[in-house]
Amino acid sequence: AQTVTQSQPEMSVQEAETVTLSCTYDTSESDYYLFWYKQPPSRQMILVIRQEAYKQQNATENRFSVNFQKAAKSFSLKISDSQLGDAAMYFCAYTGANSKLTFGKGITLSVRP
Amino acid sequence: DAGVIQSPRHEVTEMGQEVTLRCKPISGHDYLFWYRQTMMRGLELLIYFNNNVPIDDSGMPEDRFSAKMPNASFSTLKIQPSEPRDSAVYFCASTDAGGGVREQYFGPGTRLTVT
Repeated sequence: AQTVTQSQPEMSVQEAETVTLSCTYDTSESDYYLFWYKQPPSRQMILVIRQEAYKQQNATENRFSVNFQKAAKSFSLKISDSQLGDAAMYFCAYTGANSKLTFGKGITLSVRP
Repeated sequence: DAGVIQSPRHEVTEMGQEVTLRCKPISGHDYLFWYRQTMMRGLELLIYFNNNVPIDDSGMPEDRFSAKMPNASFSTLKIQPSEPRDSAVYFCASTDAGGGVREQYFGPGTRLTVT
């Protein structure tokens, strides 16, 4: 079975600085997708970024980018120029052949003004 | 598209009552998922459907929970009888895996409180 591990429960970053959120996963599949979801206090689950396992290039979406290390099964999220609106819970997630999403436990990110 | 729609947004009920949560997936999506989120257990997959057929209900906690998808645009999650430990946020999500879309799109959730 696939597992997703987010070992840091909380992180804090100064506004305008850069922060990296860590995620590792375990799978025996070769074709899969990885995601980062953001959950602000409104509880809405918002997709931040996706990475296809077959792509070597790291995904980027504006201030958000990932460091995808397939051999190490590592998938970290980097947030540049952090903004107050980035404060939220962030979930790393995996999906494979069965289309089920496996989530990590999440990390609470706070942004200091 | 309006996105995934869930109703009600908030539900407060007494122990022993029946609760029905509703979901309308994004039009054209062929997969629908029901999740439960609690502080203790995080996000748990309860059940998912493909083309209206239940594929995996191994996450349904017990027989008090049931889910149906009578057509491609509507699904329900029912709890009967409800218990205080069922208090949680319930999310519905959909995706178009058959069309190559792998990310799931979530509804706003239903916050259920059982007293």
